Amino acid sequence: QLQLQESGPGLVKPSETLSLTCTVSGGSISSSSYYWGWIRQPPGKGLEWIGSIYYSGSTYYNPSLKSRVTISVDTSKNQFSLKLSSVTAADTAVYYCARHKGPWEPNDAFDIWGQGTMVTVSS
Amino acid sequence: SSELTQDPAVSVALGQTVRITCQGDSLRSYYASWYQQKPGQAPVLVIYGKNNRPSGIPDRFSGSSSGNTASLTITGAQAEDEADYYCNSRDSSGNHLGVVFGGGTKLTVL
Repeated sequence: QLQLQESGPGLVKPSETLSLTCTVSGGSISSSSYYWGWIRQPPGKGLEWIGSIYYSGSTYYNPSLKSRVTISVDTSKNQFSLKLSSVTAADTAVYYCARHKGPWEPNDAFDIWGQGTMVTVSS
Repeated sequence: SSELTQDPAVSVALGQTVRITCQGDSLRSYYASWYQQKPGQAPVLVIYGKNNRPSGIPDRFSGSSSGNTASLTITGAQAEDEADYYCNSRDSSGNHLGVVFGGGTKLTVL
């Protein structure tokens, strides 16, 4: 059974770069059928899509975050990663990684999620 | 980017039927997906595509769409259905690819 697990620091200082990794187990990140995405949820608020990546390295991002976001993939480790630069308190959130079919699939949906990891931006 | 609008809160009596709606221009062109989120847990996909349920999702959950509005219907709501529900779809604005989520609806089962 495919599982996703987020990992990374729970506390990041303002103006620094937030870095998280999602490890995929029970299946291959190199599947041609799926994209791998990051979604975040500030405390008490709704979900916000950050961006997604294909195993080939092709990416697409939320326009509102694009200037600060980099998503990369390491197929040898079955992992993909998120970097968010110049963070502020507004970036404090639970960060989820999730699998989906991608932008060319009419039935696209995030069908498998990690448990989420809380990241707090504070000095 | 596109926006998807949901009612902040909806309530339903135990065993009754409730419809949760999601409005947005992107829904004229793309399907909505629906997620259930309980406190402290990750979202769970309950409906995707035209009206598809992932394995393990009860058949009391169904989806539909008309014009710019997608709906999630729970027929015979159970106490365990009390949760936040989010819709999402492809972002249809501009010429970029993207994903957009609704603001969420808190469902209370009375």
